[in-house]
Amino acid sequence: DTGVSQDPRHKITKRGQNVTFRCDPISEHNRLYWYRQTLGQGPEFLTYFQNEAQLEKSRLLSDRFSAERPKGSFSTLEIQRTEQGDSAMYLCASSLERKLSAGNQPQHFGDGTRLSIL
Amino acid sequence: AQTVTQSQPEMSVQEAETVTLSCTYDTSESDYYLFWYKQPPSRQMILVIRQEAYKQQNATENRFSVNFQKAAKSFSLKISDSQLGDAAMYFCAYRGTSYGKLTFGQGTILTVHP
Repeated sequence: DTGVSQDPRHKITKRGQNVTFRCDPISEHNRLYWYRQTLGQGPEFLTYFQNEAQLEKSRLLSDRFSAERPKGSFSTLEIQRTEQGDSAMYLCASSLERKLSAGNQPQHFGDGTRLSIL
Repeated sequence: AQTVTQSQPEMSVQEAETVTLSCTYDTSESDYYLFWYKQPPSRQMILVIRQEAYKQQNATENRFSVNFQKAAKSFSLKISDSQLGDAAMYFCAYRGTSYGKLTFGQGTILTVHP
């Protein structure tokens, strides 16, 4: 169990640029989640996948945000035309759920990608 | 929509003492799950303890225990014999049974004094 891996750890970019983050979940975990956390706040849900299917998207996820999980393995989160308000820590988590409805399985979090918009 | 409230932005405790962190939540569901996560500075979030709403017995994990009051929608975390390594931001989180996302509270910063 190598844990949830996120890349890069830090990303600094200019406003208006596109950025892409990658998340590798724990092997065999079928669910993958993206959250956004601003300084001093709790994480806010963005979206999640069951295998390769994107099952839910938050209203926080504007049209500039897109997430994919091809083949149900790693996932990417892309932000187009970044804005100052996108500066945050982007957290990825994974879990193994044995049924479609939610269970009590814990979500295992990665170290996050810290995005800074200049 | 479900909401989670942690009314204590900061708490402090002396090493070896006991501290209780508060959490309340709002939901119309009868079955759900509650979690406490710990996030040390610049480190990843890890699960501390979890509770199923249908279980009346309070969950316990070594020095960590919860006081789950379903009618009051309260879910507090008690840390006994506090250690320096317990210093972190603690988040209370709610999860319904019909979806996968966690809804987090604002967090409580715990400081442990030697």
